[in-house]
Amino acid sequence: AQSVTQPDIHITVSEGASLELRCNYSYGATPYLFWYVQSPGQGLQLLLKYFSGDTLVQGIKGFEAEFKRSQSSFNLRKPSVHWSDAAEYFCAVGTGNQFYFGTGTSLTVIP
Amino acid sequence: DAGVTQSPTHLIKTRGQQVTLRCSPKSGHDTVSWYQQALGQGPQFIFQYYEEEERQRGNFPDRFSGHQFPNYSSELNVNALLLGDSALYLCASSFGPNQPQHFGDGTRLSIL
Repeated sequence: AQSVTQPDIHITVSEGASLELRCNYSYGATPYLFWYVQSPGQGLQLLLKYFSGDTLVQGIKGFEAEFKRSQSSFNLRKPSVHWSDAAEYFCAVGTGNQFYFGTGTSLTVIP
Repeated sequence: DAGVTQSPTHLIKTRGQQVTLRCSPKSGHDTVSWYQQALGQGPQFIFQYYEEEERQRGNFPDRFSGHQFPNYSSELNVNALLLGDSALYLCASSFGPNQPQHFGDGTRLSIL
C-alpha cells in the first residue's frame, strides 16, 4: 500500500540556518512527489513537484528537494531559513487519481 | 485569476444532521478532490471528481457523497454527522486527475 512518512513531527531552527525536512514514501512504481506548506488556518500551497527527469527540483520561496529512488526519499531543503517560513510542511505522493499525504512537520523559526 | 474558493468558511452542526460544503475550482481546472484534515494530521483523501463522475474514493463511508456540476464546481455532502467528522475539509482542483493540486482555504466543520 502507498504511504508517506515524515519522521520529524517538529523541527526548530534559527533564522538564517539551513533546513532539511525528511520524507520517505512507499509506492511500487515511480511516484509523483510533492511538497506543500500550510500556514495556520490556511489551505495548502504547492512548494514544488517531481514527476520525472532531473532529481533535484527547485520550488518557490527558495526551496528545493531531491528525489532519491534508492532511498525512497524526497527531502526538502532550504539553505537559509526566514522567519516567515514557520509553518506546517506536508510531503505527498500522487498515484493515479489519489494523493497520499504525510502527517506533516511543524517548523518553528527562532529569531 | 481566482484560486480555489470554498464556502462556508466555518460551520457548526449537531450529531445526526446533514451538511453540504461547496467548492469552486481554480479557473481552467476540471478536476476536484476533497480531503478531510483532522487536527494535527495530514489531509486524508475522500474522493475525486472528473467529468462529473467520482473517479477515485478513499477509505470513507457512504455517508460522504459528492457531486460535480458542468461548470466543474463541486459539493461534498455528509449525512448522519458524527463527532468524529469535526475537521477541516479541503477542496483541491487540478487540470486533469493526476496533476498538481491547488487547495482552497477549507471549511472548518465543528460537530456538537
